[in-house]
Amino acid sequence: KAGVTQTPRYLIKTRGQQVTLSCSPISGHRSVSWYQQTPGQGLQFLFEYFSETQRNKGNFPGRFSGRQFSNSRSEMNVSTLELGDSALYLCASSIQWGSSYEQYFGPGTRLTVT
Amino acid sequence: GQQLNQSPQSMFIQEGEDVSMNCTSSSIFNTWLWYKQEPGEGPVLLIALYKAGELTSNGRLTAQFGITRKDSFLNISASIPSDVGIYFCAGPADTDKLIFGTGTRLQVFP
Repeated sequence: KAGVTQTPRYLIKTRGQQVTLSCSPISGHRSVSWYQQTPGQGLQFLFEYFSETQRNKGNFPGRFSGRQFSNSRSEMNVSTLELGDSALYLCASSIQWGSSYEQYFGPGTRLTVT
Repeated sequence: GQQLNQSPQSMFIQEGEDVSMNCTSSSIFNTWLWYKQEPGEGPVLLIALYKAGELTSNGRLTAQFGITRKDSFLNISASIPSDVGIYFCAGPADTDKLIFGTGTRLQVFP
């Protein structure tokens, strides 16, 4: 079974631009969660989608948004990029929604904002 | 808010040695997950624990769900160079979000 895939793997953007990251979950998994990982803050939860509905949201500004499609694929968008948005963005999928279910991560998208 | 504290922060050991690390929480957890992350990659799920007192092995790795439900332990026996990475514990916050520990960085020297 194929794992979680994320595209692109690397991205360089300038301040003020916007970016869209894509995630394809493991086949059969209906929940997709997004995390931001930085050296200073560690792994922080952004949001979780299940059956195209946002089920949970972390403490990030409204510039961070996401959506999920009927095939469970998900995208996240960051508008008006700031230098502090430079991070590894990780997507994780699980069969069910909720944090008690095992989550499987993709390789991440490394975003650099200059 | 809820926090997961991992110790030690980093470990430098010789190949063949056993490793122990732990994760503590300020509140009770019903699930503990242990992940390993290598440079440039996403975390990989190693072990999942669902019951207080549960002891689960995955090859040379053994993890335990603490009796108090506020801690968990991960042991690696006979370490090898490919064990290098950052080990994270994770558990469900009361807001039903998965929260991660601060990580234990493991270096193994031949």
